[in-house]
Amino acid sequence: DSGVTQTPKHLITATGQRVTLRCSPRSGDLSVYWYQQSLDQGLQFLIQYYNGEERAKGNILERFSAQQFPDLHSELNLSSLELGDSALYFCASSVGMGGGHTGELFFGEGSRLTVL
Amino acid sequence: AQSVSQHNHHVILSEAASLELGCNYSYGGTVNLFWYVQYPGQHLQLLLKYFSGDPLVKGIKGFEAEFIKSKFSFNLRKPSVQWSDTAEYFCAVPNYGGSQGNLIFGKGTKLSVKP
Repeated sequence: DSGVTQTPKHLITATGQRVTLRCSPRSGDLSVYWYQQSLDQGLQFLIQYYNGEERAKGNILERFSAQQFPDLHSELNLSSLELGDSALYFCASSVGMGGGHTGELFFGEGSRLTVL
Repeated sequence: AQSVSQHNHHVILSEAASLELGCNYSYGGTVNLFWYVQYPGQHLQLLLKYFSGDPLVKGIKGFEAEFIKSKFSFNLRKPSVQWSDTAEYFCAVPNYGGSQGNLIFGKGTKLSVKP
């Protein structure tokens, strides 16, 4: 158990819909990262938050957004869903803002999104 | 842009065979390197990491990796694999472009170990 909690574990929805994925980082970790894992693209970094502030953006679509709340949990909002958004979405956390520069990232078990 | 290359997409071995998975990265400066493992249906777990010092790094479950700076490589090895090593293995390097702390992952190598 990494200490990173993600909900829901599985989600099935239809095209055009909106979903919210939730992540609680390890106790004491201030950084949260979101990754998308798909068969063709592999693990793609989406976005990083540090202590409530957006820190870095990766290959995140405009239809997607995220935020980190004062209690440090984070939510990833996916809207106007398309078939191609079906993937495993991972959340990771680290102690500081430097992530892999200073230590490791701890990953949650992921949320599997299926868009029909 | 930085990249991580893993040469083997799928490796199939019998139990007790030796394993070597290749990883090359593109960053030219001082670098941290990671190997993560993802067992079927599970999250990514850290196998080992290199930050500095001895280029031969030992990790959990008998895995080790060697950092060869001149070859920009960080290959993962295990002398004798077990069926329980069946998993997907990812090499990763921090994003050194700016202040980002995220890791850049290779495409992964799926290892299947036959009992």
